[in-house]
Amino acid sequence: DAKTTQPTSMDCAEGRAANLPCNHSTISGNEYVYWYRQIHSQGPQYIIHGLKNNETNEMASLIITEDRKSSTLILPHATLRDTAVYYCMFKDPYSGGGADGLTFGKGTHLIIQP
Amino acid sequence: DAGVTQSPTHLIKTRGQQVTLRCSPKSGHDTVSWYQQALGQGPQFIFQYYEEEERQRGNFPDRFSGHQFPNYSSELNVNALLLGDSALYLCASSLASGEQFFGPGTRLTVL
Repeated sequence: DAKTTQPTSMDCAEGRAANLPCNHSTISGNEYVYWYRQIHSQGPQYIIHGLKNNETNEMASLIITEDRKSSTLILPHATLRDTAVYYCMFKDPYSGGGADGLTFGKGTHLIIQP
Repeated sequence: DAGVTQSPTHLIKTRGQQVTLRCSPKSGHDTVSWYQQALGQGPQFIFQYYEEEERQRGNFPDRFSGHQFPNYSSELNVNALLLGDSALYLCASSLASGEQFFGPGTRLTVL
């Protein structure tokens, strides 16, 4: 199983950058880091993924360490609507002929404070 | 684009009964995955369907089975329901190696 370690919960003030860490020391060379989030009572939502270079999209930035054993998801200007459980995971999207099951841990409950 | 849709939204069954949950994938997606999410836990992968075949399976008993139709929609069947099967059942669709898009889920309660 692809195992990651994340803090159980974090607080962040509205308008500030939220930095969510994830350790994935057993990641292998072909495996990408993925981040999803789940707002209460909804299905998980894809945020971003990356292999070894830092990535940025309209939702967030992903910083992956050079040894790839950890990463940080950055929400640059957190809003109350960013309160959710954030899941970090890794997989090789090209193994087994294509997409395969995601292995979710317990994630980080991020609470944005007004 | 309606995104991933699931039905029903909520369902109540009793122990020993059977249940069928349904999922329509996002337009253009050909792969459907099913997950079980118990209260306070992350989603757990049940299985994935591609080209009407089960392509990958997680650690779930044979009581959990599925089907994918030619239009890529999918069903999840659970037989001989147990109290522990109470959970949120999530469907996700994707294209090959692409990101998975999740539906809102079906909340199953087994009494």
